[in-house]
Amino acid sequence: GAVVSQHPSWVICKSGTSVKIECRSLDFQATTMFWYRQFPKQSLMLMATSNEGSKATYEQGVEKDKFLINHASLTLSTLTVTSAHPEDSSFYICSARDSLSSYNSPLHFGNGTRLTVT
Amino acid sequence: SQQGEEDPQALSIQEGENATMNCSYKTSINNLQWYRQNSGRGLVHLILIRSNEREKHSGRLRVTLDTSKKSSSLLITASRAADTASYFCATENTGGFKTIFGAGTRLFVKA
Repeated sequence: GAVVSQHPSWVICKSGTSVKIECRSLDFQATTMFWYRQFPKQSLMLMATSNEGSKATYEQGVEKDKFLINHASLTLSTLTVTSAHPEDSSFYICSARDSLSSYNSPLHFGNGTRLTVT
Repeated sequence: SQQGEEDPQALSIQEGENATMNCSYKTSINNLQWYRQNSGRGLVHLILIRSNEREKHSGRLRVTLDTSKKSSSLLITASRAADTASYFCATENTGGFKTIFGAGTRLFVKA
C-alpha cells in the first residue's frame, strides 16, 4: 500500500527557533500534499495545500510567513514553523494523494509530528 | 475549516456490540471518506463512498450516504477492544481538491 513517511515524529524546540517537518511519499508520486494541524482531542484543521513546483495554497487564518511550505519534488513536501512560540505546539500531520489516482481516491497520511515549543 | 458535525462526540460500548457514528456536512461533495486514528498517530483510511452511492460495505464496516440530508453513518458490527480509536468523516467538495474533516467520534470498546 501507499506509504507516507513523516519526520520527525516528535520535536521539542525553544521559543524563537525554527523547525522543519518533512513529508515523503515513499512508493508513489504526489503532485499535491496537504498539511493539517490537530489540537488534543480535536479534529484535523487543514492548514495548506502543497503543490509541487508552485506556491502552496493556505487556508484562511493560516500565516504563510509563519508556516513555510516547500514542495520541491513529487515525493517531498516540507513544513517549516518559523520563530516558533508555545502556541504553535501541536500535532502536525501531512497527507498525500497518488498523482495517478482519480479525485475519488483516499488520502495517505504520515504518522504525524508532535511539536512542543518551550 | 471544518466541514460539519459528527455525533456522538464520544461512544462507549461493550465488546461485541455494534457502534454507529453519524456525520453531517454542509456542501456538495464528490465523495465522503471515513478514517480511523489511534491516539497520537496518523490517520488510516477505512472506506470511501462516492456521491452517487448510497451504501458500501467493507468487512465489519457499513457506510451509508444520504446526499439529500447531507449525512453519512458508519456502522461497526461486532466491535472489538482493538476498535477503540477516534473516527473521522471527511469530504472532498465538488469543484475543489481539498479534503475537510469532521469533528470526530471517540469510540471506546470495553473488553
